Amino acid sequence: GQNIDQPTEMTATEGAIVQINCTYQTSGFNGLFWYQQHAGEAPTFLSYNVLDGLEEKGRFSSFLSRSKGYSYLLLKELQMKDSASYLCAVTDSNYQLIWGAGTKLIIKP
Amino acid sequence: ETGVTQTPRHLVMGMTNKKSLKCEQHLGHNAMYWYKQSAKKPLELMFVYSLEERVENNSVPSRFSPECPNSSHLFLHLHTLQPEDSALYLCASSQDGESGANVLTFGAGSRLTVL
Repeated sequence: GQNIDQPTEMTATEGAIVQINCTYQTSGFNGLFWYQQHAGEAPTFLSYNVLDGLEEKGRFSSFLSRSKGYSYLLLKELQMKDSASYLCAVTDSNYQLIWGAGTKLIIKP
Repeated sequence: ETGVTQTPRHLVMGMTNKKSLKCEQHLGHNAMYWYKQSAKKPLELMFVYSLEERVENNSVPSRFSPECPNSSHLFLHLHTLQPEDSALYLCASSQDGESGANVLTFGAGSRLTVL
């Protein structure tokens, strides 16, 4: 079966760095997404990786290793507003999106 | 208005009621989706419409009935629901339904409670 694994919950301190991991086993691979979802709000697109390596967008970076079936989202200089759930999703060979259950990130002052 | 708008934001209904969820997108996208989001579970794809034609129905019970009258509007008609159907129902749209880089734009969701 197809599966996406990510930690259920993480806690970090304001101003620090946090890495949220995502591992996947899917039928083929056509890209990996990260979305952010604040409580009671819509998930919003953060990043898309299809080739190995690191993609940087301001304070957020996303890394992909296709051979390891692994990605991480790196958040730097954490702010209180970064408290949210982070959803990992993979597009399989049939262009179906397979979703992880999300990681709830709690930022403490 | 811009983006994806869902109404109502909150809905409480009895098991014998009939209600509808509405979704509207003003992005010019060609594909629209209904997802179910339950606590601590992955998003579950329910229905996909591409160019107003249903292209996917992931074995969803018939008590959920989608309708896509045009490329900007999507409805989810609900009848004789069960308490386990209580969840957040998310609508999304995208430019292209079949692409690896298919970025979804979501609405804020309709929180459904079935008593």
